[in-house]
Amino acid sequence: ILNVEQSPQSLHVQEGDSTNFTCSFPSSNFYALHWYRWETAKSPEALFVMTLNGDEKKKGRISATLNTKEGYSYLYIKGSQPEDSATYLCAPLADNDMRFGAGTRLTVKP
Amino acid sequence: EPEVTQTPSHQVTQMGQEVILRCVPISNHLYFYWYRQILGQKVEFLVSFYNNEISEKSEIFDDQFSVERPDGSNFTLKIRSTKLEDSAMYFCASSPQGLQGYGYTFGSGTRLTVV
Repeated sequence: ILNVEQSPQSLHVQEGDSTNFTCSFPSSNFYALHWYRWETAKSPEALFVMTLNGDEKKKGRISATLNTKEGYSYLYIKGSQPEDSATYLCAPLADNDMRFGAGTRLTVKP
Repeated sequence: EPEVTQTPSHQVTQMGQEVILRCVPISNHLYFYWYRQILGQKVEFLVSFYNNEISEKSEIFDDQFSVERPDGSNFTLKIRSTKLEDSAMYFCASSPQGLQGYGYTFGSGTRLTVV
């Protein structure tokens, strides 16, 4: 079973703050890592798919890095806005199987 | 933008009854998945499906569960004899390829309540 840990579990920040959170996963048999953004009452929305050690991806104010050797990925949000409030899920793929972390719930206060 | 469609959005069923959850994946996608989330818990993988057969399934996906792609557009999840602990949000997802670098597109989910 692929153990995926995300921290922190929840985060409250002020509008304009920059923030980051972590996804940890076993580094063996790694194939790819997905990040999803999940707003309440909606379906998870794909943010990034990362495969190579040292990968960095960016989408607007959100970026992510990947370290496959030590088994972690960071998601960064620069200048958080209230509309960034959501749960951010990471999901590594290994052994032909994708498992989700429990997510980091981000709340951005205006 | 293409969507994954799930019906119904909410289903209430009695324990022991069979339920079928329906999904219409994006038309040119080849890989299909079911996940579920029990209230307050993680999103859990159930099964992946490719080329008209199951490619992977989790320990949750026991003999009570089955999947089918009956007509080339629908992708269904059947639970034969529902238990109280099957109450969850069930999400269908599809992707154009399997593991190579494509995010999954999720449907908006079916909330199953077993009473």
